[in-house]
Amino acid sequence: DAGVIQSPRHEVTEMGQEVTLRCKPISGHDYLFWYRQTMMRGLELLIYFNNNVPIDDSGMPEDRFSAKMPNASFSTLKIQPSEPRDSAVYFCASSFLGGSGANVLTFGAGSRLTVL
Amino acid sequence: GENVEQHPSTLSVQEGDSAVIKCTYSDSASNYFPWYKQELGKGPQLIIDIRSNVGEKKDQRIAVTLNKTAKHFSLHITETQPEDSAVYFCAASKKIGDYKLSFGAGTTVTVRA
Repeated sequence: DAGVIQSPRHEVTEMGQEVTLRCKPISGHDYLFWYRQTMMRGLELLIYFNNNVPIDDSGMPEDRFSAKMPNASFSTLKIQPSEPRDSAVYFCASSFLGGSGANVLTFGAGSRLTVL
Repeated sequence: GENVEQHPSTLSVQEGDSAVIKCTYSDSASNYFPWYKQELGKGPQLIIDIRSNVGEKKDQRIAVTLNKTAKHFSLHITETQPEDSAVYFCAASKKIGDYKLSFGAGTTVTVRA
């Protein structure tokens, strides 16, 4: 398996523009997570899905952020309109329920977003 | 929710020496404790994990210990090598009903040649 695939790897945009980040999870994984990483706040969970259904979006900063998972092999995180404070690395991760019931996460390489 | 604290934030060691990173957690219901390594420009990767019914686990040069009574767990890297230089994150989660990981703030480890 190629692992969790994210695109784009780098995105530079201007304030007010719409940004769409994409993720292809590992086949067979039934959980998908979106994290944001910044120097100030570390790794923050934004939202996670189970079997394509959003389970917990309490980490989504505000209404400008939205996430979808139309099928088991694709998810998007959209920011509209983008603001400079949204600049961060956004990670997608997928997981399966391991034999002991633990959550074994595999991360993608991340999408580095810069909003000017 | 779970609060995970990690220390130190930076750690510099001489090649061949050992490195120890410590984490504490707040929720006594947590029972899964993974450690992730993040190299520059990459996503975090799982390097070792421990379940609450185990006190210690080893995998070659890395080991993790867990003290559930004190609610702390530690990562030990022995015979450090330059390729061990990275940011290390501890995390905690509950097994049932909560599939979210709470991460520590990370430790930047630098191995000096």
